[in-house]
Amino acid sequence: ELKVEQNPLFLSMQEGKNYTIYCNYSTTSDRLYWYRQDPGKSLESLFVLLSNGAVKQEGRLMASLDTKARLSTLHITAAVHDLSATYFCAVANDYKLSFGAGTTVTVRA
Amino acid sequence: NAGVTQTPKFQVLKTGQSMTLQCAQDMNHEYMSWYRQDPGMGLRLIHYSVGAGITDQGEVPNGYNVSRSTTEDFPLRLLSAAPSQTSVYFCASSYGTGLETQYFGPGTRLLVL
Repeated sequence: ELKVEQNPLFLSMQEGKNYTIYCNYSTTSDRLYWYRQDPGKSLESLFVLLSNGAVKQEGRLMASLDTKARLSTLHITAAVHDLSATYFCAVANDYKLSFGAGTTVTVRA
Repeated sequence: NAGVTQTPKFQVLKTGQSMTLQCAQDMNHEYMSWYRQDPGMGLRLIHYSVGAGITDQGEVPNGYNVSRSTTEDFPLRLLSAAPSQTSVYFCASSYGTGLETQYFGPGTRLLVL
């Protein structure tokens, strides 16, 4: 059974500072996804990482994948209030997607 | 394109009742799936389909049935609702079967009394 662990589960960020969310998974996979969810809303796709060493960036968010370490990171640069949300990583195994528990991010002034 | 649509948005059921959650997509996506989201547990896969006529079980399939008679529609049936099925249900779809970017519907909030 594929297990996906995110940490931290809760992250209080100060505006302007940098932070990292970690996603570890238990079995081999070469497809990893990051999603954002605002309270009461659906999930929005942020990144799809398809190979070892993949790095993708969009605005203040950058995601990377190390398949050998079974680790992905989501780096947030110079946090702003608009980034307050819950962030999920998910890992694919065959046709099944397994999600982490999510990291709830709150950005304070 | 409407993307992925789900109906109803909210439903209250009594224990033992049955119902169908509807999911449709207009993007000609081969892959469709159903998840449930419970507090502190992320999303868990219930059932998925890689094309019309093909379905398979996910992580938590008990108490749910699915069918895929067309590419566009993927309904989820609750056979006999239980309070443990109180949750938010999301349908998702993606192009092809390689699990490229998944597009999620708006969700259905289900309360079973």
